Amino acid sequence: DTGVSQNPRHKITKRGQNVTFRCDPISEHNRLYWYRQTLGQGPEFLTYFQNEAQLEKSRLLSDRFSAERPKGSFSTLEIQRTEQGDSAMYLCASSPHTGGNEKLFFGSGTQLSVL
Amino acid sequence: AQTVTQSQPEMSVQEAETVTLSCTYDTSESDYYLFWYKQPPSRQMILVIRQEAYKQQNATENRFSVNFQKAAKSFSLKISDSQLGDAAMYFCAYKEPPGGSQGNLIFGKGTKLSVKP
Repeated sequence: DTGVSQNPRHKITKRGQNVTFRCDPISEHNRLYWYRQTLGQGPEFLTYFQNEAQLEKSRLLSDRFSAERPKGSFSTLEIQRTEQGDSAMYLCASSPHTGGNEKLFFGSGTQLSVL
Repeated sequence: AQTVTQSQPEMSVQEAETVTLSCTYDTSESDYYLFWYKQPPSRQMILVIRQEAYKQQNATENRFSVNFQKAAKSFSLKISDSQLGDAAMYFCAYKEPPGGSQGNLIFGKGTKLSVKP
C-alpha cells in the first residue's frame, strides 16, 4: 500500500492559463474522489468515479473543470482559463466500495495559486 | 440540505489530558454515516473514527471515542490521554446512506487542536 499520490504538490499559474493535476489512487480501490479545500474551510466535494465512470459531479464543478479516469486507474483534474477564485488545495482520495461507511484514503493534495 | 457545524475553531489540551471536540449536523435522513478526520500539517487527511447512525453504541478506536446523540444531532469526539502527535485540524463529516450521494462527504469547518507539553 503506497498510498494516494498527487502531483504536482504545488502549482503556481497565471490567470487564464490551463492547469492539470494528477492523482494515483491505491491500486485496488475502485472509487476515486476529488475535493477542494480553501483556507479555513473543510474540503468540498467536486466529483467522484467508480472505476472509469464519473458518477457524481458537484455544482461547484463549473464548465471550466473536467475530470477523467481512463481505464479506472489514475485520474486527472483539469481547470481551463483559471481564475483567482480557483486558488485552493485540491485533494484526491480513493476507497474500496464497501457499502457506505468506507474509509477514504486521502493524498497530500495539490496547492494551486492563481496569480 | 445537510450541514455540519463545528462551533470550536480552536481547542487546546495539556498532554495526557482529555479533550472533547463538538460537532452538530442537520439532516432529515434517519440513516447516515458520520466521521471524524484528522488533518496534520502534512495536509494528508486521515480517518480517526466512524459511526453508523443506526448503531446506538458509540464507536471507539483506542484513545478516540465518540458521543453520538442522534436525537440532538450531535457527534462529539473525545480524545483521551492526549499526545503531541494529536495536534492537528479535526474535521467532522456527514455522508448520506446508500441511495443518496455516495461521493459527497460534507465536512465542517474544522477545529484546530493544540497539545501542550
